[in-house]
Amino acid sequence: KAGVTQTPRYLIKTRGQQVTLSCSPISGHRSVSWYQQTPGQGLQFLFEYFSETQRNKGNFPGRFSGRQFSNSRSEMNVSTLELGDSALYLCASSLLSTYEQYFGPGTRLTVT
Amino acid sequence: GESVGLHLPTLSVQEGDNSIINCAYSNSASDYFIWYKQESGKGPQFIIDIRSNMDKRQGQRVTVLLNKTVKHLSLQIAATQPGDSAVYFCAEIISSAGGTSYGKLTFGQGTILTVHP
Repeated sequence: KAGVTQTPRYLIKTRGQQVTLSCSPISGHRSVSWYQQTPGQGLQFLFEYFSETQRNKGNFPGRFSGRQFSNSRSEMNVSTLELGDSALYLCASSLLSTYEQYFGPGTRLTVT
Repeated sequence: GESVGLHLPTLSVQEGDNSIINCAYSNSASDYFIWYKQESGKGPQFIIDIRSNMDKRQGQRVTVLLNKTVKHLSLQIAATQPGDSAVYFCAEIISSAGGTSYGKLTFGQGTILTVHP
């Protein structure tokens, strides 16, 4: 089975711009979660989508948003980028009935 | 200002030794725990999980112990190998009044394991 894929793997943006990151879950997985990983804050939960609905949300500003499509693929968007948004953004997918989450390789976002 | 990086605990062992990585959690409502391994440039990789109604669970070369009395979790790796070198995270899922928070993992800060040949 193919794992979780994330595109792009690396991204450089300028402060004030917006960015969209994409995640394709493992086939059959309907839940997709997003995390931000930084040296200063570690791994922090952003939000989780299931059947195109946001089920859980972390403590991030409204500039961070996401969506999920009918095929379970998910995107997250960050608007008005700030230098502090530079991070590794990780996507994880899981089946409906299990907690076990499988992570993708992440998208490394650098904001200059 | 400049952000200060987390000072991750480190553990250095010799190849073949057993490793024990510890994790403390604070929320008594946590009902599911997972250990992840993250190698440089990769996403976290699932190692083993344990539910709150268990004290111990074993996998291949790994054992997780859960002590709910003191809110402590540990990961034991037997016969540690150089390929085990990575950052290890514990993560928990917390039940809430509205039901279990599916899909939301709360991660610990991580421990850097270095295995010397």
